[in-house]
Amino acid sequence: DTEVTQTPKHLVMGMTNKKSLKCEQHMGHRAMYWYKQKAKKPPELMFVYSYEKLSINESVPSRFSPECPNSSLLNLHLHALQPEDSALYLCASSQDETGNYTSPLHFGNGTRLTVT
Amino acid sequence: AQTVTQSQPEMSVQEAETVTLSCTYDTSESDYYLFWYKQPPSRQMILVIRQEAYKQQNATENRFSVNFQKAAKSFSLKISDSQLGDAAMYFCAYRSGYGGATNKLIFGTGTLLAVQP
Repeated sequence: DTEVTQTPKHLVMGMTNKKSLKCEQHMGHRAMYWYKQKAKKPPELMFVYSYEKLSINESVPSRFSPECPNSSLLNLHLHALQPEDSALYLCASSQDETGNYTSPLHFGNGTRLTVT
Repeated sequence: AQTVTQSQPEMSVQEAETVTLSCTYDTSESDYYLFWYKQPPSRQMILVIRQEAYKQQNATENRFSVNFQKAAKSFSLKISDSQLGDAAMYFCAYRSGYGGATNKLIFGTGTLLAVQP
């Protein structure tokens, strides 16, 4: 069982649709992350939230809009996506973002997104 | 910039045998952390083992152990008594240990491990 829960598991959307991915953790972690992973490739960091504030945006297109309503929830709002955005989207959390603490990332099972 | 290299795209091992996955990294930092993550077909990235660079002792977790060679910048993963459930993609990852650094993991390209019954 994963301690980071992502919904939905699968999502198919058209290029004009608006959808959201949801991530939830109840481990008291204060840092949350979105990663994008293409098939047989390593995950690529998209966003980092630390204490509910956006601390990193890895130059992600504005058609991806993250939101952190509280310390347990992380959303990724999707709008006007392109077929090349089809991928596995992984959410992760860690106890603290600071580099001086060995707080490994805990990942969810991901949402498999297909853009048609 | 830091880089992580996994030179074995695919590996295969017989059940109950031992296999070693290679990972090398490049950094000018002296304080950092290294990780091995496993990603089975279920898609979840699972932390297998981690190593602090300042610790000389190699980390072990049950059947999993690492050979950490700091001078050579090598961090290999040894899986003993391989089991069918070990079949997965294995990613080596690096994270800076300096204050102000984000918890940004730098991943290698992965090694796909098959376990033969």
